[in-house]
Order: sequence, then structure tokens, then C-alpha cells
Amino acid sequence: DAKTTQPNSMESNEEEPVHLPCNHSTISGTDYIHWYRQLPSQGPEYVIHGLTSNVNNRMASLAIAEDRKSSTLILHRATLRDAAVYYCILRDATDLNMKTSYDKVIFGPGTSLSVIP
Amino acid sequence: EPEVTQTPSHQVTQMGQEVILRCVPISNHLYFYWYRQILGQKVEFLVSFYNNEISEKSEIFDDQFSVERPDGSNFTLKIRSTKLEDSAMYFCASSELGQENEKLFFGSGTQLSVL
Repeated sequence: DAKTTQPNSMESNEEEPVHLPCNHSTISGTDYIHWYRQLPSQGPEYVIHGLTSNVNNRMASLAIAEDRKSSTLILHRATLRDAAVYYCILRDATDLNMKTSYDKVIFGPGTSLSVIP
Repeated sequence: EPEVTQTPSHQVTQMGQEVILRCVPISNHLYFYWYRQILGQKVEFLVSFYNNEISEKSEIFDDQFSVERPDGSNFTLKIRSTKLEDSAMYFCASSELGQENEKLFFGSGTQLSVL
């Protein structure tokens, strides 16, 4: 699995934008960049994913560098409910002897985001 | 939005006992997963399941663990003889086609405590 590197923790003030960075310098051309988050005492929750172009959804935006070696998850206006661990994950399909094995989601330690009222 | 449902939310058992954790994946999904998270640690992959067989498993998923889809809706994780170190939160997840551009839907977890 290609690896990602994220800061251990970040802080943000409530109602301000948050930019969560992720480095993935060994990314392959077919790796999708996924972001999940885990709120306290809950299961992981999908946030967003992309391949090459920037992506927006109702939860967040994903900015992908032109060389794809890094990406940034953007929360446009942090709320207290956004305090969570955010995981940047790469996913790819692997063709094992003509039998495609879709890569499971592998979690790293992530970035623990604190939101200050 | 559709949900993955897990029962029970908490399970307490004695060391050496068998436990079965239950999950109801989203109805049209074909790929199913179990993960665990020991308190204070990262979420760890255990096993993936497709077409009534294990498609991939981690080193954690040894002979004490098994998974089953006993009917068209449930997906279970069995631990045959629980150990203290099996105490963790266990998450079930599902995805429609298991592809790399799809999202996984996770349940809210079962907290297993082995005494």
C-alpha cells in the first residue's frame, strides 16, 4: 500500500476554514485519494475522494496537487462537530493473476483536529 | 442515507468464551469488512468478504476468528475463544462493488470487553 503522511494534530477556531494536509509522494497513477473521519466514540465516516481534479461536496473540498504527491482537505467553516480524527488514505485496484483484488481501506494514525469555540 | 447496523453495541464476555458480533450491511452492497480498534490505537483491518468467501484477511485474523453470511442480510464475526487482548471496538463496513473509487459505509461499532 502506498503510504501517506499527516500531522499528528491540528487546532482550528470555530467558524474558520481548516486546511488538513496529506503527503503521498509515492502515489501511483491509479491510486484514488480518500478522506475519512472518525468522531469521538463513532465509526469512521467517509468524507470525500478524488483522483486528479479538485472535488467538492457538502462536507468538504479536496485540493489535489498537480503532481498528485500531496493533497489538502478543506473544511470551509469549522464547527465543534468537526472535531475528529481525519484520515488520508490511498486506494487502488490490484490485478493479482488476472483476478482483481480491490484494496481494502487501511487507516493510518490520522490527524486529530481540535476545534476551539 | 442508508446505514450499516451493528448489534449489540456493547458485549461483555469471559475469557475463553465464544462471541458473535452481528452486522446488517446496506442491502445492495456486495463487499463486507470487519475492522477493530483497540482503545487509543488506530483502526485495523481484519477481513474482507465477497461472494460468500473471504477475499482478504490480515495477520490479526487468525484461526480464532471466522466470518459468515448466514442469510441474505446478516454478516457475522465470530471469535471462538476470546482473549483479554480481543477487547476492542469492532466495526463492520460495506461497499457496493468494493472498487477503489467507492466509499465504505461503517457501522457505529460493537464494544467488546473480555474479562
